[in-house]
Amino acid sequence: SAVISQKPSRDICQRGTSLTIQCQVDSQVTMMFWYRQQPGQSLTLIATANQGSEATYESGFVIDKFPISRPNLTFSTLTVSNMSPEDSSIYLCSVVQGANTGELFFGEGSRLTVL
Amino acid sequence: QKEVEQDPGPLSVPEGAIVSLNCTYSNSAFQYFMWYRQYSRKGPELLMYTYSSGNKEDGRFTAQVDKSSKYISLFIRDSQPSDSATYLCAISRTGGFKTIFGAGTRLFVKA
Repeated sequence: SAVISQKPSRDICQRGTSLTIQCQVDSQVTMMFWYRQQPGQSLTLIATANQGSEATYESGFVIDKFPISRPNLTFSTLTVSNMSPEDSSIYLCSVVQGANTGELFFGEGSRLTVL
Repeated sequence: QKEVEQDPGPLSVPEGAIVSLNCTYSNSAFQYFMWYRQYSRKGPELLMYTYSSGNKEDGRFTAQVDKSSKYISLFIRDSQPSDSATYLCAISRTGGFKTIFGAGTRLFVKA
């Protein structure tokens, strides 16, 4: 099973600033996913990070707000730009291993609080 | 209408009880059905995975899928305090890609 490390694990940020979250996987994976989990709510897919091409964003999420990088098959970053208190959430990186099993592996998440 | 509905609870049971967790979904195109467990301040981890209809058993856990009624269930037998966590149902058309999660049910098992 994949081991996923995320940094930072938590942070408190000021309104209007930006924060970059890093995700490192211990094996090469084709796709990496970024999810958001708002307080008391479920996981919502933000985007799929593809190596060598632009990320694919879900409805309601845009590149200007959540730029993503994917420089190689084991690493990705998600930036939360121009933060507001509504961006306070847990951001989770995940990967799928085994195209036929559907199993997602998750990092422990990055808990952001925006003041 | 949300694509998957799940009662967020919380659900509190005594140790040893049988726990029943449920979700409904709206689109019959979904083929992959999963249950994830999430402990506090941790990422979700896959607990059970089912493709199409039927039952699947793993130790104290049983997952059921009824595609005719678009209803998925997770049963936990002989529940333990260590089972206290949030349980999220999840559905997907394409196995892991664009997985849609339910709201999660918080379960407390009292010793």
